[in-house]
Amino acid sequence: ETGVTQTPRHLVMGMTNKKSLKCEQHLGHNAMYWYKQSAKKPLELMFVYSLEERVENNSVPSRFSPECPNSSHLFLHLHTLQPEDSALYLCASSQDPGDGANVLTFGAGSRLTVL
Amino acid sequence: GQNIDQPTEMTATEGAIVQINCTYQTSGFNGLFWYQQHAGEAPTFLSYNVLDGLEEKGRFSSFLSRSKGYSYLLLKELQMKDSASYLCAVRDGDYKLSFGAGTTVTVRA
Repeated sequence: ETGVTQTPRHLVMGMTNKKSLKCEQHLGHNAMYWYKQSAKKPLELMFVYSLEERVENNSVPSRFSPECPNSSHLFLHLHTLQPEDSALYLCASSQDPGDGANVLTFGAGSRLTVL
Repeated sequence: GQNIDQPTEMTATEGAIVQINCTYQTSGFNGLFWYQQHAGEAPTFLSYNVLDGLEEKGRFSSFLSRSKGYSYLLLKELQMKDSASYLCAVRDGDYKLSFGAGTTVTVRA
């Protein structure tokens, strides 16, 4: 495996379900990110982890709960979601988040549909 | 708040040139990025500008004017595979990368 891998690629869940999105990076990067991408809207930054410590939490509802057990893995735990949470959730990683030229490498995303 | 504007859609013919403009108003500036995203795929890095001027990389070039809050991405010798969404993004702090809504470019034969 190379790059940033996200699973599952597609997820359909009811509003009362609990599910998790998983992201794994094989690049030796130090920072990992969750972004939400809705149709015709800008990517929204949700969470940033640097060296497994959360450094940014962008006013995201508590029904989204991130977990970063090590620098290679990032999870997004989902519970009691709303239909408006349906979107593409993108994971990304980068080498040095403090460097202005820091380039993000994205995964292909998990397409979430909340019924 | 952050405001990054780019056109929603552009259409061009194979072999032609297309210029995608991006204007921004952000609380800080620490670099501007362009990403390409094909439908159903991950966004991929195209270019980075932090100083004024033109950066050329093969068929793609990116320009920045910090005083005007303006950038453009120039795609030359368009190919069908260039049909994609192009995302303008501004780094306005250490971690935060703010994106525009993206410009969908359709290349016609």
